[in-house]
Amino acid sequence: KAGVTQTPRYLIKTRGQQVTLSCSPISGHRSVSWYQQTPGQGLQFLFEYFSETQRNKGNFPGRFSGRQFSNSRSEMNVSTLELGDSALYLCASSYQNGPPQETQYFGPGTRLLVL
Amino acid sequence: LAKTTKPISMDSYEGQEVNITCSHNNIATNDYITWYQQFPSQGPRFIIQGYKTKVTNEVASLFIPADRKSSTLSLPRVSLSDTAVYYCLLPRGGNTPLVFGKGTRLSVIA
Repeated sequence: KAGVTQTPRYLIKTRGQQVTLSCSPISGHRSVSWYQQTPGQGLQFLFEYFSETQRNKGNFPGRFSGRQFSNSRSEMNVSTLELGDSALYLCASSYQNGPPQETQYFGPGTRLLVL
Repeated sequence: LAKTTKPISMDSYEGQEVNITCSHNNIATNDYITWYQQFPSQGPRFIIQGYKTKVTNEVASLFIPADRKSSTLSLPRVSLSDTAVYYCLLPRGGNTPLVFGKGTRLSVIA
């Protein structure tokens, strides 16, 4: 099976712009989670989608949003970019994110730089 | 609650055995102890998971004492490619997000 794919891999934007990141989960996986990783804050949870519904949301401002499509692919959007949004954005998929022993599989991430 | 691994960072020579410990005093009955590995500029990768006693796979061994309040990840004969950050997690499941701590930064030296 192909792994989790994320596009684009690298992105440079300027303050005030918006950005859309894409994630394709492993075939058959229905749960997609997004994380932000920065040197200062580490890995932080953004939100999780399952069957096109947001099931969980982290402590991020409303500028961060996401959605999931019927084929389980997911996008996240960040509007009005700030310098502090520069980070590695990671997507993870799992079959249903149900049992505690269920593994989440991470993609390679999208490196976003805001100038 | 993020789990703390010890040491925070460490250097090891190739071929040595490396042990990283994780404390989870308030582990719940249903919690599984899970370790992820993250290489620079990549997403974390699941390496091993256990509930009790000892689990071994092709990458590592996980030792869990009877009280389950701690666990030890053991990497036998590390190589340069084992240079990474190692995280200990207790995923709760039920669409509860994974909570990552700072992890242990392992640098393997030739």
